[in-house]
Amino acid sequence: GENVEQHPSTLSVQEGDSAVIKCTYSDSASNYFPWYKQELGKRPQLIIDIRSNVGEKKDQRIAVTLNKTAKHFSLHITETQPEDSAVYFCAASPPGAGSYQLTFGKGTKLSVIP
Amino acid sequence: NAGVMQNPRHLVRRRGQEARLRCSPMKGHSHVYWYRQLPEEGLKFMVYLQKENIIDESGMPKERFSAEFPKEGPSILRIQQVVRGDSAAYFCASSPGGEVGYTFGSGTRLTVV
Repeated sequence: GENVEQHPSTLSVQEGDSAVIKCTYSDSASNYFPWYKQELGKRPQLIIDIRSNVGEKKDQRIAVTLNKTAKHFSLHITETQPEDSAVYFCAASPPGAGSYQLTFGKGTKLSVIP
Repeated sequence: NAGVMQNPRHLVRRRGQEARLRCSPMKGHSHVYWYRQLPEEGLKFMVYLQKENIIDESGMPKERFSAEFPKEGPSILRIQQVVRGDSAAYFCASSPGGEVGYTFGSGTRLTVV
């Protein structure tokens, strides 16, 4: 089955700096890669996603890049703000019959220092 | 649209008791997914259900755990004879069809004492 590795496990940045979180996946057939943000005690919220026919996607201060050859994808947050502090999870899902199932990384705890 | 509703938000059970977690999907959604999140971990898939059918329960422990999604009413995740290791946050999500990009509910945090 799919295996998703996520790094780093913790990340501290100064407010205004950029943050980058990286994930690798094992199943080359996976074609959907979402990122979730989870604040303490709350539900994971989808913040951005990318499909394997696209190399990069951007939404305001958040961007995701995908390298299918290397089987890795990254989340980039620019101009970080204290409210960006949360745990971020990457995930992957395969095409076809199993496309409903997400495999998650273990998460990155991002702390933005004012 | 109220979103995916889960209750209770917090549930405390003594070892050996039963835990029943409920999930009401978004209006018009007939597909429900349950995930478990252990402390300091990512979410792990447990089971995928459609109305009156279990489609994939490959992530669910073989014993003590069961899930249903009846024709009427919420989806239920049932854990019998709970043990300390069952303490976790249980999230459900729903979709109109069997695809990802779904929205999670607020979760039920189960604590076994």
